[in-house]
Amino acid sequence: SQQGEEDPQALSIQEGENATMNCSYKTSINNLQWYRQNSGRGLVHLILIRSNEREKHSGRLRVTLDTSKKSSSLLITASRAADTASYFCATDAGQAGTALIFGKGTTLSVSS
Amino acid sequence: DTAVSQTPKYLVTQMGNDKSIKCEQNLGHDTMYWYKQDSKKFLKIMFSYNNKELIINETVPNRFSPKSPDKAHLNLHINSLELGDSAVYFCASSPSQGRAKLFFGSGTQLSVL
Repeated sequence: SQQGEEDPQALSIQEGENATMNCSYKTSINNLQWYRQNSGRGLVHLILIRSNEREKHSGRLRVTLDTSKKSSSLLITASRAADTASYFCATDAGQAGTALIFGKGTTLSVSS
Repeated sequence: DTAVSQTPKYLVTQMGNDKSIKCEQNLGHDTMYWYKQDSKKFLKIMFSYNNKELIINETVPNRFSPKSPDKAHLNLHINSLELGDSAVYFCASSPSQGRAKLFFGSGTQLSVL
């Protein structure tokens, strides 16, 4: 079964608000990654957090990782209409030579 | 320059036909992948090649056959297309197996009528 589960499935906010998405996974990981997918496009890598890291920042993005709870969160601060997209977490299964496993994603809508 | 390019972007075909999707990456990566995204946006790994060798072959019908003529190309051939094959197929590449970040193509939307 899939590794990651995002929550919520859909999120609608106003420009300027913060958006928080959560990801839970089932097995041990080496790292967890977040990707963005704009409508009709391929996925774009946003940020990678290693299993020994607890928090990471990149611009308006903040990712946390709690390996004891097997969960991660992605926070987008001061959201913009251009942030409207689907966001996916992806984990490796902890074994060399395996592919990233993606969750079902959170669809974020930011209205102006 | 597009890093990972796949063609065609749209593919509409009849049940029973055979079709191919091509993928090329100019990033110098060793590993390439095919993922399938269904109508609910669930993304599932199908195949992975490392330096032209198949390293991941998930539970995919044998009507799907990947081919990697060199490490910059990974094509997907599908025989006897079925309605359930309708989905978006993404090619991706990474510098190495497993844990590195992926670079995705823009997808091929396959519609089987």
